[in-house]
Amino acid sequence: GQQLNQSPQSMFIQEGEDVSMNCTSSSIFNTWLWYKQDPGEGPVLLIALYKAGELTSNGRLTAQFGITRKDSFLNISASIPSDVGIYFCAGQLDSGGGADGLTFGKGTHLIIQP
Amino acid sequence: DTEVTQTPKHLVMGMTNKKSLKCEQHMGHRAMYWYKQKAKKPPELMFVYSYEKLSINESVPSRFSPECPNSSLLNLHLHALQPEDSALYLCASSQATGGGQPQHFGDGTRLSIL
Repeated sequence: GQQLNQSPQSMFIQEGEDVSMNCTSSSIFNTWLWYKQDPGEGPVLLIALYKAGELTSNGRLTAQFGITRKDSFLNISASIPSDVGIYFCAGQLDSGGGADGLTFGKGTHLIIQP
Repeated sequence: DTEVTQTPKHLVMGMTNKKSLKCEQHMGHRAMYWYKQKAKKPPELMFVYSYEKLSINESVPSRFSPECPNSSLLNLHLHALQPEDSALYLCASSQATGGGQPQHFGDGTRLSIL
């Protein structure tokens, strides 16, 4: 099956710093999604990207759908303590019916040091 | 609070037991999904239902039996599970048409097999 390479695996940053993480794939996706998962909870959708080259923001979060459709990045500006958690990228092929499963990256564990 | 509700939140069962996991959404979504997530790993797709019909089965063992009794409900029936089946089971839903519809997740059922 398809695999997504997500990096970095973990990040140790100071509060207020900017964060950047990315995902690459060996094959094309039609949709890229970014989720955040806190302990004991399910993944929460942060940003959805639908077109190659698309740049989308959600508050302090910005994500881009790569031109080649094989990569995406997520930036978080001015990190705050509640940003701590695991961030997953996910790609969706879109067979035309809309109901396709997601392929997830391995996650980036964001830790904010006091 | 998530709009996808999963019950129970925790389940402990023996290998000979039969139990069911339940998922409910009232967002009018016609696609529903089951994912399995092991500790410190990303979610992995198990099943996809589109318009109450099973459309994708990712070669899941028959001891897991999904059911979609109506457009709002999704069940996962469990029988004769193995210790390696212990995991967080996540339900998600999305629109079923239009391509690339983002999936919204519940908080999962944490399953432990004794």
